[in-house]
Amino acid sequence: QKEVEQNSGPLSVPEGAIASLNCTYSDRGSQSFFWYRQYSGKSPELIMFIYSNGDKEDGRFTAQLNKASQYVSLLIRDSQPSDSATYLCAVKVNRDDKIIFGKGTRLHILP
Amino acid sequence: GAVVSQHPSWVICKSGTSVKIECRSLDFQATTMFWYRQFPKQSLMLMATSNEGSKATYEQGVEKDKFLINHASLTLSTLTVTSAHPEDSSFYICSASHPEQYFGPGTRLTVT
Repeated sequence: QKEVEQNSGPLSVPEGAIASLNCTYSDRGSQSFFWYRQYSGKSPELIMFIYSNGDKEDGRFTAQLNKASQYVSLLIRDSQPSDSATYLCAVKVNRDDKIIFGKGTRLHILP
Repeated sequence: GAVVSQHPSWVICKSGTSVKIECRSLDFQATTMFWYRQFPKQSLMLMATSNEGSKATYEQGVEKDKFLINHASLTLSTLTVTSAHPEDSSFYICSASHPEQYFGPGTRLTVT
């Protein structure tokens, strides 16, 4: 069974620091990896996707993928209170398949 | 780009009635759309995969006769909750592939 595991948190990070969110997945055939942000009472918002091993940077966000270790992470630099949300890691095995979501990590940025 | 809308954003209905929720891709065509349900403080649960021009694929445990899905065009999928009951009260969210999944804003359903 395909699984995506995340620490549920809450993860508390001081404002201005780097928040590090981690995720592991079970299916070695996974090809696409996503991070979504979900504010309370709202729908998920896609913030990063990564397909190849290594790092991908977009503004304050960096996604890191290590397929050998079946590990994907999200770094948020210069954390802001507005970054407080639940972050969902998601994995797609092939291009047309559904996405498998983790249960999410609650991030709390301390002002 | 990649904007997905849902209508209505919230709805209250009486037990035993049916409710239709629309999901539209506004600036792209989506051959595949997905319907999720999320109860308070719980994770997303995939209900079904909707493919344009064909029958939807339902996840295990989801009643296809209760949750009717129609994907008649490349920009519109609908979910109809038939004979709704209070336990169907939830946050229903659709997403569309482009090719990454982009979510609509969700529909909050309350059944009284």
